[in-house]
Amino acid sequence: GAVVSQHPSRVICKSGTSVKIECRSLDFQATTMFWYRQFPKQSLMLMATSNEGSKATYEQGVEKDKFLINHASLTLSTLTVTSAHPEDSSFYICSAPNPGLAGIETQYFGPGTRLLVL
Amino acid sequence: LAKTTQPISMDSYEGQEVNITCSHNNIATNDYITWYQQFPSQGPRFIIQGYKTKVTNEVASLFIPADRKSSTLSLPRVSLSDTAVYYCLVGERGSTLGRLYFGRGTQLTVWP
Repeated sequence: GAVVSQHPSRVICKSGTSVKIECRSLDFQATTMFWYRQFPKQSLMLMATSNEGSKATYEQGVEKDKFLINHASLTLSTLTVTSAHPEDSSFYICSAPNPGLAGIETQYFGPGTRLLVL
Repeated sequence: LAKTTQPISMDSYEGQEVNITCSHNNIATNDYITWYQQFPSQGPRFIIQGYKTKVTNEVASLFIPADRKSSTLSLPRVSLSDTAVYYCLVGERGSTLGRLYFGRGTQLTVWP
């Protein structure tokens, strides 16, 4: 089946620094990818839609200048958390539409990136 | 998007059948029902999707009554490894593909 990878799997950074998270579709192309955030014991929250070749669209309440998204190719989207603060510590997950399940429309999710800001 | 309501938690023992029901009273005509499974510190995994009646795959079955205001995910003979959070999502295919709004999900705990 289709695979979506994320790098790094976990990252620890100091407050005020920026962190980049990569999301790759390994064996299929994805013109659209999605970024989610999940706090402990909570559900996933959609942050933004990453569009290849155009600007990302952000969900209400998500700061676009804080969470920079770049979809540079058909297999790579990056999320940069700028000037990270402890409250940005979370589990970040990306997803891409499935390319081949006949009659099914769903998402393949990456394994997630655990961000800890000290 | 239709709001969904699921039990917050369920417990079961190995070998038993587990049925998790999701209510979606405001489901629209074009909406499909999709279930995902999530283990701790992992991304969700697709389980099953359906529109009406019954859908079955190698992992689970999905039962949808005629009024489609609810759906039931059925996991046959669960094992310890089925301990996870299960999410029910309802949405229209196509234009909203990918923009998924997760509810709280159901924490299923399987005991030996």
